[in-house]
Amino acid sequence: GAGVSQSPRYKVAKRGQDVALRCDPISGHVSLFWYQQALGQGPEFLTYFQNEAQLDKSGLPSDRFFAERPEGSVSTLKIQRTQQEDSAVYLCASSLARGTQGQPQHFGDGTRLSIL
Amino acid sequence: AQSVAQPEDQVNVAEGNPLTVKCTYSVSGNPYLFWYVQYPNRGLQFLLKYITGDNLVKGSYGFEAEFNKSQTSFHLKKPSALVSDSALYFCAVRDMSYGGSQGNLIFGKGTKLSVKP
Repeated sequence: GAGVSQSPRYKVAKRGQDVALRCDPISGHVSLFWYQQALGQGPEFLTYFQNEAQLDKSGLPSDRFFAERPEGSVSTLKIQRTQQEDSAVYLCASSLARGTQGQPQHFGDGTRLSIL
Repeated sequence: AQSVAQPEDQVNVAEGNPLTVKCTYSVSGNPYLFWYVQYPNRGLQFLLKYITGDNLVKGSYGFEAEFNKSQTSFHLKKPSALVSDSALYFCAVRDMSYGGSQGNLIFGKGTKLSVKP
């Protein structure tokens, strides 16, 4: 597709359940970022992939969060044993070049996660 | 610590008037600066960036931003606001911190722009 695609758009889960969020970046984009956006806040960095390599996961809030991009295209963010504080919009972004080269990041519409 | 500040939660402007959305930053070294816009229930759309060169950067939809190194500011401007410009605007800077930065962005908390007819 023309842009970054995320699915599902909305996800409701009960506390303690596991969830998986998918990101389809723009074809050919090397860099892929995940961000978490709490209500009324700016996005906060979670993790970064360059192709299939996860080069930075310093923003993941706990070991319940796990991300992968096994073939260097589609990425999945998994949250295990969800907690209410995990409720947020999860944004995926991709860019053509390596992240340090200052290329703009192109964002998907996000997945709004609500934990009951 | 690196950071971005957007001092105004909301900016109200009449249609046809000029608008300014303020942003200041704190980074080590030369900054890479970005503006994004977010419409309800949508992701962020790239407006413009400053990497190097002219201090006045022109972007999408008639927006521009002025980089001011001495004031560490990167204010977003538009000469004549449209009602359709009403949205949430985010300023961001590339994370330059050692030991983990791979180009991720540090965002401000956002400024809601409201343009009235």
